[in-house]
Amino acid sequence: AQSVTQLDSHVSVSEGTPVLLRCNYSSSYSPSLFWYVQHPNKGLQLLLKYTSAATLVKGINGFEAEFKKSETSFHLTKPSAHMSDAAEYFCVVSLVKYNFNKFYFGSGTKLNVKP
Amino acid sequence: GAGVSQSPSNKVTEKGKDVELRCDPISGHTALYWYRQSLGQGLEFLIYFQGNSAPDKSGLPSDRFSAERTGGSVSTLTIQRTQQEDSAVYLCASSLAGTLQETQYFGPGTRLLVL
Repeated sequence: AQSVTQLDSHVSVSEGTPVLLRCNYSSSYSPSLFWYVQHPNKGLQLLLKYTSAATLVKGINGFEAEFKKSETSFHLTKPSAHMSDAAEYFCVVSLVKYNFNKFYFGSGTKLNVKP
Repeated sequence: GAGVSQSPSNKVTEKGKDVELRCDPISGHTALYWYRQSLGQGLEFLIYFQGNSAPDKSGLPSDRFSAERTGGSVSTLTIQRTQQEDSAVYLCASSLAGTLQETQYFGPGTRLLVL
C-alpha cells in the first residue's frame, strides 16, 4: 500500500503567482511528515516538517504546509513563486513498520516557474 | 561543518562487474540510510543502519546488493554482477539518532551507469 502520494508529477506557475504542491498520505497513526527540495544537480534539502506540534508549519524560502488529518493531506504552498523555486519537491512520511522506522518518499513534483 | 559525502560522484561500469559506493555521514550521526533514485522516479529506500542495531535491509532489491557500516561511521554499498537496471543515482543520508521526526541530511549522490 502506498504511504504517500504526490498528486501532480509536474506543476507550472508564473513568477509571482501562488504555488500549491499536493501530497496525501496513508497511515494508521499520526505520522511525521516532511517536504524536501532537490534543485538540479544538488542534494536534497529539508524545506519543512510536521511532528505533531502546530498543524501549520513554516519552512525555508517562504514555503509552508498544513497538516489536515481529516483529509490526510500535507500540501505545500507559497504565496508568490520565485524563479529560484524551480526544483523537484518530495513529500515524505515517516512511521514505524515491523519495528523499524520507515521513511516513504513520494514520487516527486517538478515545479517549473515561468518568467 | 562538513556534510554527508559520497564517492565516487560518478561511476561507469560494465554489466557483470561489481561496484562499491562509499558514504561518509556527518560526524556523530548514528543513523545512516541508502536510497536509490532512478530516472523520473522518487527515492526508493534500500537499507537503514541505526547505531549497533541490526540494519533494516528490507529495501534491498536483490541479493546482489549488500551494505556494511564499519565502526558506526563510514558505509559501503556493494552491488555485485551489476545489471543495466541498476543504473541510477544512489543517495546516502544520515541523521542524529534515527527518530521518526528527525531531518535527514543527504549527500550529493553517486551516479551509476551500467553499460
